[in-house]
Amino acid sequence: AQRVTQPEKLLSVFKGAPVELKCNYSYSGSPELFWYVQYSRQRLQLLLRHISRESIKGFTADLNKGETSFHQKKPFAQEEDSAMYYCALTPRGGSNYKLTFGKGTLLTVNP
Amino acid sequence: NAGVTQTPKFQVLKTGQSMTLQCAQDMNHEYMSWYRQDPGMGLRLIHYSVGAGITDQGEVPNGYNVSRSTTEDFPLRLLSAAPSQTSVYFCASSRGTTSYEQYFGPGTRLTVT
Repeated sequence: AQRVTQPEKLLSVFKGAPVELKCNYSYSGSPELFWYVQYSRQRLQLLLRHISRESIKGFTADLNKGETSFHQKKPFAQEEDSAMYYCALTPRGGSNYKLTFGKGTLLTVNP
Repeated sequence: NAGVTQTPKFQVLKTGQSMTLQCAQDMNHEYMSWYRQDPGMGLRLIHYSVGAGITDQGEVPNGYNVSRSTTEDFPLRLLSAAPSQTSVYFCASSRGTTSYEQYFGPGTRLTVT
């Protein structure tokens, strides 16, 4: 069985400060990992996926298989980054309609 | 395109009542899923479908039924609502493989008293 752990329920930073959202996973095979974001009063949307290695809204994430982590970082946080962030996993070769989500981290960026 | 739509947005039920949460997508996606979102629990998969006529259980299927008669629609039925089913319900659709994004609906907030 797979599991996704986001160790911080709440994270608060000041505008312009670096931010790191942590995600650890447990899965015996090769995973596909994603970051989803939910802004206030908006629907959940995909932010990052590790297979594409793209940077969205200044966020980047690296899959570290040795540490079984998929932390995402942004060097300079903006107030509009305030949102709930979810890390999610599916087995490689599986499908993204059966995602296992972490419990989420609520990021607040203070002015 | 409207994307993924869900109705109703809000619903209050009494224990034992039944209802159907509606979900529709206009992107011709084969794959659709239902999740529930609870505080401190993240999102958990209830049921999913890989095409019309094909459904399967997710992590927390008890108390819920689904069917998929068309590609567009994937309703979620609560046969006898319980307070433990108070939650926010999200429907999602995708093309299925991991290289494609899963698109979420706006959610239905359900309260069971």
